[in-house]
Amino acid sequence: KQEVTQIPAALSVPEGENLVLNCSFTDSAIYNLQWFRQDPGKGLTSLLLIQSSQREQTSGRLNASLDKSSGRSTLYIAASQPGDSATYLCAVKVGDDKIIFGKGTRLHILP
Amino acid sequence: ETGVTQSPTHLIKTRGQQVTLRCSSQSGHNTVSWYQQALGQGPQFIFQYYREEENGRGNFPPRFSGLQFPNYSSELNVNALELDDSALYLCASSFNAGTVNTEAFFGQGTRLTVV
Repeated sequence: KQEVTQIPAALSVPEGENLVLNCSFTDSAIYNLQWFRQDPGKGLTSLLLIQSSQREQTSGRLNASLDKSSGRSTLYIAASQPGDSATYLCAVKVGDDKIIFGKGTRLHILP
Repeated sequence: ETGVTQSPTHLIKTRGQQVTLRCSSQSGHNTVSWYQQALGQGPQFIFQYYREEENGRGNFPPRFSGLQFPNYSSELNVNALELDDSALYLCASSFNAGTVNTEAFFGQGTRLTVV
């Protein structure tokens, strides 16, 4: 059974710092991995999608890596800003087109 | 913003009642999935519809049911509501062309409160 774990559960960092969010999954048989952002009480905004054959994706200040064999992904945020404060969710797509989510990391950027 | 829209945005129901939530998928998408997100948790897969048929189901009881219409929009129905059904319900649409690598786009969700 696929399980997705995100560490840490919460993180506070001063504005301007670079930071890394971690995601691990137990079964390497995934089709893709997505990182989402969720603001309080809101839906999910897709940040980056990495196909199983890819190693990383970049969008602006965000970079996500995928190591399928070790069951790990990281989301790197450069030069953090207060507007980056949100919950970040990692999710993997498995058979039957189902998406399995982690519980998320609550990020707070201190002005 | 994605092209996935959900209605209503907020809803309050009484225990034992029935509720219908609606989702309009992004243009060109033929697959809709529903997720339940309890407070402080990640979303949990409820079920998926492809070409108007249920195409996969998570660990949810039969009182959670759904429909997909010819225009690929979808409904989630929950009967005999329980307090634990209070959650954010998310709809995701994607395009299935025989592969499973397509990106899923999520709506803004419906916040259901059962009292």
